[in-house]
Amino acid sequence: NAGVMQNPRHLVRRRGQEARLRCSPMKGHSHVYWYRQLPEEGLKFMVYLQKENIIDESGMPKERFSAEFPKEGPSILRIQQVVRGDSAAYFCASSGLGQIPYEQYFGPGTRLTVT
Amino acid sequence: QKEVEQDPGPLSVPEGAIVSLNCTYSNSAFQYFMWYRQYSRKGPELLMYTYSSGNKEDGRFTAQVDKSSKYISLFIRDSQPSDSATYLCAITPRGATNKLIFGTGTLLAVQP
Repeated sequence: NAGVMQNPRHLVRRRGQEARLRCSPMKGHSHVYWYRQLPEEGLKFMVYLQKENIIDESGMPKERFSAEFPKEGPSILRIQQVVRGDSAAYFCASSGLGQIPYEQYFGPGTRLTVT
Repeated sequence: QKEVEQDPGPLSVPEGAIVSLNCTYSNSAFQYFMWYRQYSRKGPELLMYTYSSGNKEDGRFTAQVDKSSKYISLFIRDSQPSDSATYLCAITPRGATNKLIFGTGTLLAVQP
């Protein structure tokens, strides 16, 4: 009964490169959320997706960031042309249809370091 | 003004102590109130949630919400070293209950 899985757990990128973060939700879950945790700050909501749809992207930076949750496969958070300020822990959470919407289960996170 | 304010600590207590963790929020339209626990280098895990003023108890944990004061608390009785973690309060806006707004977290250390 695997929980939310994220990979890679650690990712190092040079400035200007692309970062791709993957999230596999819990079995049976069709809602995925991405959060970012910067040092000394709390978790910040980025985006909420259902299969093939972006429901709420109010927390996504306007440029360089995109997210998808295809019909098959994991959800992807993509950061183009990374900058040092993108260094953070990125957490994915999932919830299921019919569940209390706020009962989100979090993955272990991907720690992105931009050098 | 931040939507959710939380004292970052750190808070250090002896084993067996009662711990009180608190958050304040600014928008009376917030609907659901949660507490998450996050161990170092791990993802947050949901401890408790509530949506009404008053107390909710689960084992050694009690969540308290005072909507008139916009104040939420988590009490831990008989604290254990295994409770050492960062505790995050989270709130959902009315009409957007899939979006969690987190406090910055309070780091708790329970000394054996």
